[in-house]
Amino acid sequence: QKEVEQNSGPLSVPEGAIASLNCTYSDRGSQSFFWYRQYSGKSPELIMFIYSNGDKEDGRFTAQLNKASQYVSLLIRDSQPSDSATYLCAVRPTGGFKTIFGAGTRLFVKA
Amino acid sequence: NAGVTQTPKFQVLKTGQSMTLQCAQDMNHNSMYWYRQDPGMGLRLIYYSASEGTTDKGEVPNGYNVSRLNKREFSLRLESAAPSQTSVYFCASSRVNTEAFFGQGTRLTVV
Repeated sequence: QKEVEQNSGPLSVPEGAIASLNCTYSDRGSQSFFWYRQYSGKSPELIMFIYSNGDKEDGRFTAQLNKASQYVSLLIRDSQPSDSATYLCAVRPTGGFKTIFGAGTRLFVKA
Repeated sequence: NAGVTQTPKFQVLKTGQSMTLQCAQDMNHNSMYWYRQDPGMGLRLIYYSASEGTTDKGEVPNGYNVSRLNKREFSLRLESAAPSQTSVYFCASSRVNTEAFFGQGTRLTVV
């Protein structure tokens, strides 16, 4: 079992819809969770981070964390064509340094 | 403020050749990382350095060596390049329990 798993997609949503991206992780000691966006040919850039169970909102983005289920998700409201990218889920244990990434989910937002 | 700088951006090697990828950060981060990214595989951790003077293996360390030269610099060396090491390499840095900032990547082709 991979340490961090994501559906590779592609996930296709129409402009203005909600895109839902999911991630599961295997290490119960994980404490820090990150979502990165990566455009083709570019380096990953941070969108959201979440440390506590529940929801965290930042503009059109909402990160959701459920440690009991070892599940973290990213919701993108009012999706725009510019949101089309690969979204990477990353997980780090408490006090740890070894950030592990999922394989990423490709998102296409159709105009 | 340059962030994380990697050199070179592109490189073609012949099988068996050696080379060193350079990485420097100017954000005073303690931790630094080397990842490789292959299609469908996401980012895989090669080596990381939690702090100056320490280095540890990640998920895929075979065929690589690293040096944490000082707090700013973290280099990755391929002693005898193989076609399987054709990939995009990313260097990143972070503080403890915070997000990682990535360099622009090095596209390496081994023929």
